[in-house]
Amino acid sequence: AQKITQTQPGMFVQEKEAVTLDCTYDTSDPSYGLFWYKQPSSGEMIFLIYQGSYDQQNATEGRYSLNFQKARKSANLVISASQLGDSAMYFCAMRGGLNKLIFGAGTRLAVHP
Amino acid sequence: KAGVTQTPRYLIKTRGQQVTLSCSPISGHRSVSWYQQTPGQGLQFLFEYFSETQRNKGNFPGRFSGRQFSNSRSEMNVSTLELGDSALYLCASSLGTVVRGALQETQYFGPGTRLLVL
Repeated sequence: AQKITQTQPGMFVQEKEAVTLDCTYDTSDPSYGLFWYKQPSSGEMIFLIYQGSYDQQNATEGRYSLNFQKARKSANLVISASQLGDSAMYFCAMRGGLNKLIFGAGTRLAVHP
Repeated sequence: KAGVTQTPRYLIKTRGQQVTLSCSPISGHRSVSWYQQTPGQGLQFLFEYFSETQRNKGNFPGRFSGRQFSNSRSEMNVSTLELGDSALYLCASSLGTVVRGALQETQYFGPGTRLLVL
């Protein structure tokens, strides 16, 4: 069965510092995709970054980068130069069967000034 | 390009009533998926529609149903509401390409509908 694990219920970071949010996954499918979404208190899920299992390089999107370690089955999100607006829930998700996304439990990030 | 829109944003219903939620996907997207988010169960897949057909369904009772129209807009209906149906209902759209049973493109989410059942 496919599964996403996010072991950090909450994280704190000082403004302008970098932070890493952990994500491990389990799947027997050789082809898969990993996503990170941000959910502010308003509720909308905002797509941040995507990594395909066959991608040779780690994905980057502005201040977001994905530290993809296939052998360890981890796909950690790195946010550089944190901003107050980065305070939100962050979800790691995997593209699964049944045309659905499988989500982790999420990590709540608080950015302090 | 306009994003995914959902209406209404907030709903309060009582037990036993029914409710219909609406989702308009990004222009050109033909796949619409629905998810339920609760504090206890997290994000759970309800169903996915493509070209007016339900392609897949999650593990929810038959009280949860949906449909998709020819313009790709989708509605979700919950009948005989229960207290446990209180949740944030999110819809997501994508182009809808499927390879080996999995959607290939990124799913983009709407702002959600917060349903409170009293």
